[in-house]
Amino acid sequence: DAGVTQTPRHEVAEKGQTIILKCEPVSGHNDLFWYRQTKIQGLELLSYFRSKSLMEDGGAFKDRFKAEMLNSSFSTLKIQPTEPKDSAVYLCASSLDWGAYEQYFGPGTRLTVL
Amino acid sequence: QQKVQQSPESLTVSEGAMASLNCTFSDGTSDNFRWYRQHSAKGLEVLVSIFSDGEKEEGRFTAHLNRASLHVSLHIREPQPSDSAVYLCAMTGNNNNRIFFGDGTQLVVKP
Repeated sequence: DAGVTQTPRHEVAEKGQTIILKCEPVSGHNDLFWYRQTKIQGLELLSYFRSKSLMEDGGAFKDRFKAEMLNSSFSTLKIQPTEPKDSAVYLCASSLDWGAYEQYFGPGTRLTVL
Repeated sequence: QQKVQQSPESLTVSEGAMASLNCTFSDGTSDNFRWYRQHSAKGLEVLVSIFSDGEKEEGRFTAHLNRASLHVSLHIREPQPSDSAVYLCAMTGNNNNRIFFGDGTQLVVKP
């Protein structure tokens, strides 16, 4: 059974570029999450989808971050325009349903913005 | 909003000695708690999920939850060098699927 997959694993961007990160959740999972992880801030929730509907859009991340889920098996996170402070690991996770169900995490995309 | 504090920030133990990690939270209304492990360049792997006060064991990993004292701990029995990783505690709010994470404990197990 395939876990959560994320591509690319590494991305290097120039300041001001647009980058798109991709995630495929575990088949059959209804919930999908995007997180950003840095040493200083730890794990921060960016977006949360339930059955493809956006439930949470991350508040402070709204202006340059946009997550979409066009079908139940694929999600994207667009950062436009990128800034050096966006350098982080971006993690995607999926869960069968809310409550006691586990969130399964992908390996992450390490983004470096120069 | 739930606040989650982990201690220590880093911990070094010798192979075979018990490793103990701690996590305190600000609000006792959460109804499920998890410990995750994150090896560098890998995603998070759930180790133990615990939903009621007391103890929950998964192999060499044991979680203790005490909601009254707002505390959950993880004990690793006979740690091995391959257990060297960042350990994160997390709790889910009781009315949504939002997870609140601690900042992590960096564990190093020396041979």
